[in-house]
Amino acid sequence: DSGVTQTPKHLITATGQRVTLRCSPRSGDLSVYWYQQSLDQGLQFLIQYYNGEERAKGNILERFSAQQFPDLHSELNLSSLELGDSALYFCASSVDPSLGQPQHFGDGTRLSIL
Amino acid sequence: EDKVVQSPLSLVVHEGDTVTLNCSYEVTNFRSLLWYKQEKKAPTFLFMLTSSGIEKKSGRLSSILDKKELFSILNITATQTGDSAIYLCAVEGGGGADGLTFGKGTHLIIQP
Repeated sequence: DSGVTQTPKHLITATGQRVTLRCSPRSGDLSVYWYQQSLDQGLQFLIQYYNGEERAKGNILERFSAQQFPDLHSELNLSSLELGDSALYFCASSVDPSLGQPQHFGDGTRLSIL
Repeated sequence: EDKVVQSPLSLVVHEGDTVTLNCSYEVTNFRSLLWYKQEKKAPTFLFMLTSSGIEKKSGRLSSILDKKELFSILNITATQTGDSAIYLCAVEGGGGADGLTFGKGTHLIIQP
């Protein structure tokens, strides 16, 4: 158990809908990262937050957004969903990127678009 | 654009064999290289390497980084069926200001 908690574990919805994925980082970790894992693209970095502020952006679509709240939990919002958004979405956390500590991953949310 | 290439993509060996997994990378402002093991769910952290030539070891697993050749290997000795998994190599660039760039992984299958 990495200590990173993601909910829900599975989500099934239809095209055009909007969903919210939730992540609670490990105790003491200030930085949260979101990744998307699909069969063809592998694990891809989406976005990073540190202590409530957006820190870095990767291959995140404009239809996707995220935020980190004062209690450090984070949410990833996916809207106008398309079939191609079906994937495993991981959250990872670390203490502070400047300290050179590894990221630890949650178990992921499997999103299926019908 | 940062890039990580892992080889082989798939490997089938017998229990007790030794395996070597390869990872080459191109990254701007290298900070670290990480190895993860992924079974059914979350990638599980194995090693983080920042310095060249220093071997990291944990039980039957070990890893080393060559920053001159932009290369790392992960060795697993006396393999067991529980070692069957996808092994992911990732690099951290941007001085630590970016997320990880992952390779496609090596799917390792250990046959009894």
